[in-house]
Amino acid sequence: DTGVSQDPRHKITKRGQNVTFRCDPISEHNRLYWYRQTLGQGPEFLTYFQNEAQLEKSRLLSDRFSAERPKGSFSTLEIQRTEQGDSAMYLCASSPILGGYTFGSGTRLTVV
Amino acid sequence: DQQVKQNSPSLSVQEGRISILNCDYTNSMFDYFLWYKKYPAEGPTFLISISSIKDKNEDGRFTVFLNKSAKHLSLHIVPSQPGDSAVYFCAANWNAGNMLTFGGGTRLMVKP
Repeated sequence: DTGVSQDPRHKITKRGQNVTFRCDPISEHNRLYWYRQTLGQGPEFLTYFQNEAQLEKSRLLSDRFSAERPKGSFSTLEIQRTEQGDSAMYLCASSPILGGYTFGSGTRLTVV
Repeated sequence: DQQVKQNSPSLSVQEGRISILNCDYTNSMFDYFLWYKKYPAEGPTFLISISSIKDKNEDGRFTVFLNKSAKHLSLHIVPSQPGDSAVYFCAANWNAGNMLTFGGGTRLMVKP
């Protein structure tokens, strides 16, 4: 297992476009998390899944943000109608039910 | 409202000396604290953690101290090495929850 994979590593998009990011967790990890990190700040929790169930989504930044984990394996994070303020690093992490996180390398989004 | 704060954005230390990174928190419900290290273009990696029932945890060159009454924790690295140069984040959670609250990070530079 190569750890948590995120794709793409970088995304440049025009304001108003939709973007989707993918995260492949460590295969035996039940939990998957999405965080956002802006410049000079620490990661900020967005949402998490246990298997395919999204157990916390109140921290998603607006209704333009949505996440799925359809079969309890990989997850996608979609941002609709992107705004310049969405420019950030989007980090995915996975963990077993009892255990620490392993983070991916992130997807850097730039909205122009 | 930042519940976890790292008030020093950067720290420079000579190789072989001690590095002390500090973190303050405001939420008295936090009962588990973690330190992560982040290199550029990589996700954060777990370094060391401490439960609120302890006041010290040591792992090789890394020691974390927790002062619950002051709501303060610190990470000591002895001796510091150039490879320790990275951004360090402290994080906290409570009641074995799944959401980590991160501080803003401290950039450590260890000079040879």
